[in-house]
Amino acid sequence: SQQGEEDPQALSIQEGENATMNCSYKTSINNLQWYRQNSGRGLVHLILIRSNEREKHSGRLRVTLDTSKKSSSLLITASRAADTASYFCATDYSGGTSYGKLTFGQGTILTVHP
Amino acid sequence: GAGVSQSPRYKVTKRGQDVALRCDPISGHVSLYWYRQALGQGPEFLTYFNYEAQQDKSGLPNDRFSAERPEGSISTLTIQRTEQRDSAMYRCASSLEAPGTSYEQYFGPGTRLTVT
Repeated sequence: SQQGEEDPQALSIQEGENATMNCSYKTSINNLQWYRQNSGRGLVHLILIRSNEREKHSGRLRVTLDTSKKSSSLLITASRAADTASYFCATDYSGGTSYGKLTFGQGTILTVHP
Repeated sequence: GAGVSQSPRYKVTKRGQDVALRCDPISGHVSLYWYRQALGQGPEFLTYFNYEAQQDKSGLPNDRFSAERPEGSISTLTIQRTEQRDSAMYRCASSLEAPGTSYEQYFGPGTRLTVT
């Protein structure tokens, strides 16, 4: 079963605009990760945020985490056509010592029009 | 500098046959994971290995599914007596870190299994 729910399910924007995707989850976590999946390809790790962190940046990506609301958001600034992909949040909770057991959401399909 | 590789990339089998899916993780990666991904969904955890030890198999759907990693490197996921509902993309991932640290997982391209 899926732990998280992503919102929106699909997002369509113009190149240069910002894209924001949200993820909600149900249980406590060790960390939360975002992955990208291009059509027909594998998943690529984007960014990891630990449960004691509130915000993290990587290039054009900004991730926030609100553990009180059990939610996270991924912001992609100045989007490019190459950002077109499915984006998944994944929570890591193993009931004790973390070992990377990830529970993925259903994903947000982002389309960036040139 | 090779990434995670999986074979075969595509497998079509008849209902009732056994299949074996192979995963070759990044050299030196301690942790290995198997996931299953249905179309339009995120991956679902199946099982986890730390070196050769299968530490968590809670995600395996039933006893037709098994996995091994005998030498702590290559892993095989076996599905016995396949059923049509087993059709999915099976993904393998590996990670360098050991338990208690953070996990960036590197995913393979997956094996698309179709049971007819």
